Amino acid sequence: QKEVEQDPGPLSVPEGAIVSLNCTYSNSAFQYFMWYRQYSRKGPELLMYTYSSGNKEDGRFTAQVDKSSKYISLFIRDSQPSDSATYLCAMGSEYGNKLVFGAGTILRVKS
Amino acid sequence: NAGVTQTPKFRILKIGQSMTLQCTQDMNHNYMYWYRQDPGMGLKLIYYSVGAGITDKGEVPNGYNVSRSTTEDFPLRLELAAPSQTSVYFCASSWRSGNEQFFGPGTRLTVL
Repeated sequence: QKEVEQDPGPLSVPEGAIVSLNCTYSNSAFQYFMWYRQYSRKGPELLMYTYSSGNKEDGRFTAQVDKSSKYISLFIRDSQPSDSATYLCAMGSEYGNKLVFGAGTILRVKS
Repeated sequence: NAGVTQTPKFRILKIGQSMTLQCTQDMNHNYMYWYRQDPGMGLKLIYYSVGAGITDKGEVPNGYNVSRSTTEDFPLRLELAAPSQTSVYFCASSWRSGNEQFFGPGTRLTVL
């Protein structure tokens, strides 16, 4: 079993839709949870960073962490064609030296 | 403040050649990382460093070497390039373990 599981997609939605991207994980030591966005032929850029359980909102983006279920989500409201990218989840712990990344979900928002 | 910079952007190597991918960060981060990303796959960690003079292997270190003589620089060396090393290579840095990592723009390498 992989430490982090993420559905690779592709996920195709119409412009204006609400998008839900998800990751599950198996290591209960993870405390830091991140979402990265990667446009084609570019490096990943940090989108959201959360610590512990709960929700965090930033504009059209909401990150949700449920540590009891070992499940994290990224919601995108009013999705735009410019949101078309690959979204990677990443997790880390206080005592580990590295992050563990999901394989990434390809999102396509059609105008 | 340039963040994380990588050179070159693109490179084509012949089988058996060697090269060094350069990575520099100007954020005074202690931690630096090298990843490779193959089409449709996630990021695989090659090597990482927790400070100058300290390096450690990631999950796919074979065929690569690194050094960290300064806080700013973390070069990745490919010896005897093989077609299996055709990939996009990303360097990243972070302030400490568990913190968000900042990525460079990547080096696209083809080995023929």
